Amino acid sequence: GQNIDQPTEMTATEGAIVQINCTYQTSGFNGLFWYQQHAGEAPTFLSYNVLDGLEEKGRFSSFLSRSKGYSYLLLKELQMKDSASYLCAVRDSNYQLIWGAGTKLIIKP
Amino acid sequence: DVKVTQSSRYLVKRTGEKVFLECVQDMDHENMFWYRQDPGLGLRLIYFSYDVKMKEKGDIPEGYSVSREKKERFSLILESASTNQTSMYLCASSNGLEYNEQFFGPGTRLTVL
Repeated sequence: GQNIDQPTEMTATEGAIVQINCTYQTSGFNGLFWYQQHAGEAPTFLSYNVLDGLEEKGRFSSFLSRSKGYSYLLLKELQMKDSASYLCAVRDSNYQLIWGAGTKLIIKP
Repeated sequence: DVKVTQSSRYLVKRTGEKVFLECVQDMDHENMFWYRQDPGLGLRLIYFSYDVKMKEKGDIPEGYSVSREKKERFSLILESASTNQTSMYLCASSNGLEYNEQFFGPGTRLTVL
């Protein structure tokens, strides 16, 4: 079966750095997405990786290792507004998105 | 900016009722999707559509149907609502296939009593 694993919840301190991991086992691979979802709101796109390596976008970076079936989202200089759930999704060989359950990130002052 | 709107933010229905959830996107996207989101589970795909009048079953289509009569509108229908269909329903749209970042609507929280 297809599976995406992420930690259920993480806590970090304002101003710090946090890394949210995602491991996947899917039927084929055509890219990995990270979305942010604030409570009660729609998911919004953060990043996309299809090749191995690090993609940096401001305070957020996303890393992919296809051979290990592994990605992480790195958030730097954490702000209170970063408190949200972070969803990892992998596009499989049929170009369908397989979603992880999401990681709830709690930022403390 | 892409805008995806859903007809209701909150909806309360009774068991056995027929329920219509509507989704409209304003960016001429070919692809539209209906998901449900439940605590502790990833988004689960109910149905999707790649073109007008075209529909494909997702992972959990049982108890649902869809309609896409116009490109911008994708409706989800619960023929006879049941309590296990209480959930958050999210509509999304995307363009093309190769890099299909999906844009989501605000969601409809449906409670079936």
